[in-house]
Amino acid sequence: AQTVTQSQPEMSVQEAETVTLSCTYDTSESDYYLFWYKQPPSRQMILVIRQEAYKQQNATENRFSVNFQKAAKSFSLKISDSQLGDAAMYFCAYRSYVNRDDKIIFGKGTRLHILP
Amino acid sequence: GAVVSQHPSWVICKSGTSVKIECRSLDFQATTMFWYRQFPKQSLMLMATSNEGSKATYEQGVEKDKFLINHASLTLSTLTVTSAHPEDSSFYICSARGNEQFFGPGTRLTVL
Repeated sequence: AQTVTQSQPEMSVQEAETVTLSCTYDTSESDYYLFWYKQPPSRQMILVIRQEAYKQQNATENRFSVNFQKAAKSFSLKISDSQLGDAAMYFCAYRSYVNRDDKIIFGKGTRLHILP
Repeated sequence: GAVVSQHPSWVICKSGTSVKIECRSLDFQATTMFWYRQFPKQSLMLMATSNEGSKATYEQGVEKDKFLINHASLTLSTLTVTSAHPEDSSFYICSARGNEQFFGPGTRLTVL
């Protein structure tokens, strides 16, 4: 069974600085998707970034980028130029590629605080 | 992006009553929807996978007779919490599978 581990329950970063959230996962599959979701105080889940495992290039979305290390099964999220609106719970997640309707497996989350 | 709605956004009910939560995909058809439960300061826990026109698949430890799921159309899935008790109080989130998985805004259930 697949697992997702986030070892940092909470992190803080100064506004405008850069922060990296860690995530490791375990799977026996070779093709899969990895995600970072943001859950602000409203509790609406927002997709931040997605990475297909077959792609070697790291995904980027504006200030958000990932460092995907497939062999190490590591998938970290880097937030550059942190803004107050980035304060939220961040979940790393995994989904199988083969079974399109398969469930998303979430890590336990990292709460990110932005210090003004 | 695609929109998923949930209704109600919050509900308070008495112990022993049943509560129905609706999850709708507003601008796409979803053959598969998922129901999650989230306790305070915790992650999302998948309760069940809802497939249109067939029985839901429940995760281990989730009581199917207590959490009734119906997916009668390609745009609507419902979760009914039967004979609710205070321990059922939680935040329930649905997601719908389009070309990607889109999440609803959640429903806060409080059982008195």
